[in-house]
Amino acid sequence: AQSVTQLGSHVSVSEGALVLLRCNYSSSVPPYLFWYVQYPNQGLQLLLKYTTGATLVKGINGFEAEFKKSETSFHLTKPSAHMSDAAEYFCAVNSGGSNYKLTFGKGTLLTVNP
Amino acid sequence: DAGVTQSPTHLIKTRGQHVTLRCSPISGHKSVSWYQQVLGQGPQFIFQYYEKEERGRGNFPDRFSARQFPNYSSELNVNALLLGDSALYLCASSLEVDNEQFFGPGTRLTVL
Repeated sequence: AQSVTQLGSHVSVSEGALVLLRCNYSSSVPPYLFWYVQYPNQGLQLLLKYTTGATLVKGINGFEAEFKKSETSFHLTKPSAHMSDAAEYFCAVNSGGSNYKLTFGKGTLLTVNP
Repeated sequence: DAGVTQSPTHLIKTRGQHVTLRCSPISGHKSVSWYQQVLGQGPQFIFQYYEKEERGRGNFPDRFSARQFPNYSSELNVNALLLGDSALYLCASSLEVDNEQFFGPGTRLTVL
């Protein structure tokens, strides 16, 4: 079985500050890991993904995440928050080497203060 | 190019009724997956279809069913609606069964 834990249901940062959203996963096999963003009343947009290879993954809008197998973590970071980053962020895992049956965390709502 | 489209956008039903939600994948995509997102939670996997065959099913009761048509569009059916079925239903399409999934905007179902 696979699972995802997102620490902090709500994170608030100031514009220009570092964004750090935490994600820990559980998987019995090497995982594929994803971060999605959801803006109000919209579907999910893929920010970045880790499948194999380089453990530091760069995504869209300046976000990046690092896969740390020893810590079973895949935290999402962005050096400088922008007002437009305010949204809900979901970490997801898929085990078994395929993209179907994504298991999502409960989400972290990011608020960016001016 | 058009993304994944879903209809209707919003829907209000009463307990015990039946509902059908529709999804059109990105052109050329052969796989469609359905997810349920209850307010305040992450999406939960319901079904995946590939080439009109069910390839995966999540932990949902038999009241939930789906099918995929020859043009790769899909329908999600829910019978005997319960209040707890109120959620955002997301459809995602992928080129093949094991490719990156692209999500539609969802259908917001409210059961009264």
